Amino acid sequence: AQSVTQLGSHVSVSEGALVLLRCNYSSSVPPYLFWYVQYPNQGLQLLLKYTTGATLVKGINGFEAEFKKSETSFHLTKPSAHMSDAAEYFCAVNSGGYQKVTFGTGTKLQVIP
Amino acid sequence: EAGVTQFPSHSVIEKGQTVTLRCDPISGHDNLYWYRRVMGKEIKFLLHFVKESKQDESGMPNNRFLAERTGGTYSTLKVQPAELEDSGVYFCASSQDSLGGGPDGYTFGSGTRLTVV
Repeated sequence: AQSVTQLGSHVSVSEGALVLLRCNYSSSVPPYLFWYVQYPNQGLQLLLKYTTGATLVKGINGFEAEFKKSETSFHLTKPSAHMSDAAEYFCAVNSGGYQKVTFGTGTKLQVIP
Repeated sequence: EAGVTQFPSHSVIEKGQTVTLRCDPISGHDNLYWYRRVMGKEIKFLLHFVKESKQDESGMPNNRFLAERTGGTYSTLKVQPAELEDSGVYFCASSQDSLGGGPDGYTFGSGTRLTVV
């Protein structure tokens, strides 16, 4: 079985501040982990993905995430928030042998000028 | 390259009516997925096609939902008769790689927002 928990349904940060969106997963086998972003009135867009190898993964728009097996976490970070980062972010997991992705409940990021 | 196209983008129907959602995947993507997000909750898996075959339909809520993918190209998702709890956003995604969607993950459409009143 696989599951994802995103802590905080809403996160507010000031423009220029650090963005930290938390994600913990559960998987019985080594997981593939994803962060997707949904901008208003748009579809889901892949931000970054971890499969194997380097545990620090860099994605688009300056985001990165680190896979920590011991903590079963895959938190998303960005050093400096921009107004255009305001969106909803979804963490997701796909375990080996599964052909479907399980999503978290999403975190809405608000960036305050 | 055209992305995943879904239509309609919005649909408002009355309880008991029938609605059909359509998804056109990226050309050449054998894997097609339907997901649904009910207001404020997680995005939940509905089913997975490989070409025209249903690989996994374990997420389909009940027999009021019927998905088809004739010829392995576009897919339709019919809800008949619709109930209030069917309201939500229905996403379609496609990929070449079925395990995690390959290097680019899944490519999602913009979704269809279904409101049942």
